[in-house]
Amino acid sequence: SQQGEEDPQALSIQEGENATMNCSYKTSINNLQWYRQNSGRGLVHLILIRSNEREKHSGRLRVTLDTSKKSSSLLITASRAADTASYFCATDRPTPLVFGKGTRLSVIA
Amino acid sequence: DTAVSQTPKYLVTQMGNDKSIKCEQNLGHDTMYWYKQDSKKFLKIMFSYNNKELIINETVPNRFSPKSPDKAHLNLHINSLELGDSAVYFCASSLGAGGTGELFFGEGSRLTVL
Repeated sequence: SQQGEEDPQALSIQEGENATMNCSYKTSINNLQWYRQNSGRGLVHLILIRSNEREKHSGRLRVTLDTSKKSSSLLITASRAADTASYFCATDRPTPLVFGKGTRLSVIA
Repeated sequence: DTAVSQTPKYLVTQMGNDKSIKCEQNLGHDTMYWYKQDSKKFLKIMFSYNNKELIINETVPNRFSPKSPDKAHLNLHINSLELGDSAVYFCASSLGAGGTGELFFGEGSRLTVL
């Protein structure tokens, strides 16, 4: 069963710009996580936000969570070419962990 | 040291064959998972084990059989391979079950069925 839906499916920006990705989900959750996947590699955990949190920061990453709208966003500030990857959100409900289809981010130097 | 390692990285085989993918984690985690990622990058959970006990078994054909000899290992055996089984299979582990913490993924095993 698929829970998260990332939007947009693909995003292309210039180096130095900010990138925003959105995730919507269907059921209530305890936490939501964001992961990055470089081409041909496994997923790497970026950040976890709990249902009672509204915003969380980690370096150049900012994640927000709106449980009333069942949505989350991931903001990457001052993007770099190395940020080029697919980004996935994942929820702990209905089955841990359920991933979306991802947003493919391309950062052009 | 690789935290979650899976072998082989690439696997090319004919339809009807049986193959296995092995996974080991050295993180001391209690929970391990198998995910399937299709050509559209959609990542779908297949199985989850907690302390060698099966806790998640999504709608997966009976041809797929996970085996966990101990909590550090979770292998995936696939019988009678079909074209639709071609995908990248990821093993992952986490400290606890229930999605309360982060998952650590292996690098994936790309299976191609001809």
